[in-house]
Amino acid sequence: QSALTQPASVSGSPGQSITISCTGTTTDVGGYNYVSWFQQHPGKAPKLIIYDVSDRPSGVSNRFSGSKSGNTASLTISGLQAEDEADYYCNSYTSTYTWVFGGGTKLTVL
Amino acid sequence: QLQLQESGPGLVKPSETLSLTCTVSGGSISSSSYYWAWIRQPPGKGLEWIGNFHYSGSTYYNPSLKSRVTISVDTSKNQFSLELSSVTAADTAVYYCARRYGGSGRIDYWGQGTLVTVSS
Repeated sequence: QSALTQPASVSGSPGQSITISCTGTTTDVGGYNYVSWFQQHPGKAPKLIIYDVSDRPSGVSNRFSGSKSGNTASLTISGLQAEDEADYYCNSYTSTYTWVFGGGTKLTVL
Repeated sequence: QLQLQESGPGLVKPSETLSLTCTVSGGSISSSSYYWAWIRQPPGKGLEWIGNFHYSGSTYYNPSLKSRVTISVDTSKNQFSLELSSVTAADTAVYYCARRYGGSGRIDYWGQGTLVTVSS
């Protein structure tokens, strides 16, 4: 299975909004509403911030939102803050009962 | 509060078998609601899903690792384990265990991760 495609890096200034895309195929992202997003700070375990395309776990800021159109899922972070600087990974269920991650996107807050 | 803790050797020789255990506390590994997973991350690289199992016996593996991977469970100790055979330097990574809700992509609890280095 091939990794989902994410941009290697994105950047934004404090207060701005950014969007990270996650592109797959009809056998993963496009075929199921089981896309999750994780935030990972250096040296730490990943943290779930969005699951099932657009659901947010309790305790996660509503500045984080998710959506999907066709084979591409998106994570939007509004009101960018310095603490949002981290790596972000998408994850999707696949037609072979397995799961696949995206390659990761490094977010830089300018 | 659920906690997951990985344990095992930090150094494995090439061609040998990597063995790790995840101890779950604060919840039962036999719950029908959850799947239990192994995920790894090579230094400086992205996450890779290794496989997961359900206590009912359903087990699924990453096709690229399937021939070398076994995930097993010890319900009496509330632990599950990973074995990866014939390791090479490419298997050097931080290995995480995690919990996923059944019928969802919600991987909500992760262990802290353990670094395994493959080197002679």
